[in-house]
Amino acid sequence: GAVVSQHPSRVICKSGTSVKIECRSLDFQATTMFWYRQFPKQSLMLMATSNEGSKATYEQGVEKDKFLINHASLTLSTLTVTSAHPEDSSFYICSAREGSGANYGYTFGSGTRLTVV
Amino acid sequence: GENVEQHPSTLSVQEGDSAVIKCTYSDSASNYFPWYKQELGKGPQLIIDIRSNVGEKKDQRIAVTLNKTAKHFSLHITETQPEDSAVYFCAAKSLSASKIIFGSGTRLSIRP
Repeated sequence: GAVVSQHPSRVICKSGTSVKIECRSLDFQATTMFWYRQFPKQSLMLMATSNEGSKATYEQGVEKDKFLINHASLTLSTLTVTSAHPEDSSFYICSAREGSGANYGYTFGSGTRLTVV
Repeated sequence: GENVEQHPSTLSVQEGDSAVIKCTYSDSASNYFPWYKQELGKGPQLIIDIRSNVGEKKDQRIAVTLNKTAKHFSLHITETQPEDSAVYFCAAKSLSASKIIFGSGTRLSIRP
């Protein structure tokens, strides 16, 4: 089945630095990828929709200048958390839509645990 | 936009018994309803999905039912096993959108 690889799985960074998270579709091309954020014991909250070759669409309340998304190829999307602060500590998960027409599905990566100290 | 509500938030069942989780959605144009299982520290894994042109789908011990008129869908797990313990999320996708919206999750615990 479809596989989405997300790296790193865990990262610790200092306040004020930037962190990049990669999301790759390994065996399919993903024109659309999604980035979610999940706090402990909460649901997944969509941050943005990433479209290959165009600007990402951010959900209301998500700062696009803080969470930079790049989707330069059909198999790779990246999320960069800029000037990270402790409140940015969270579990970040990417997802990719695979398939076409009436046969599609959404596959998720394994997540990235970001801790800002 | 789409809104998905999920109940219960926690569920504890005896091993071997059945578990049922229910979700409602707001957008009558939604056409895709996946269910995900999430284990601690991992990403969600698709366990079953249903599209709006069918009312029920089954895969071994797992089944999903969809009532489009009432705008609700349910996950049924029969003969529960300890490895079924996890957090389960329902989700829905509107016809006009590419994104899926998640319910709030159900923490399922299987008592030995």
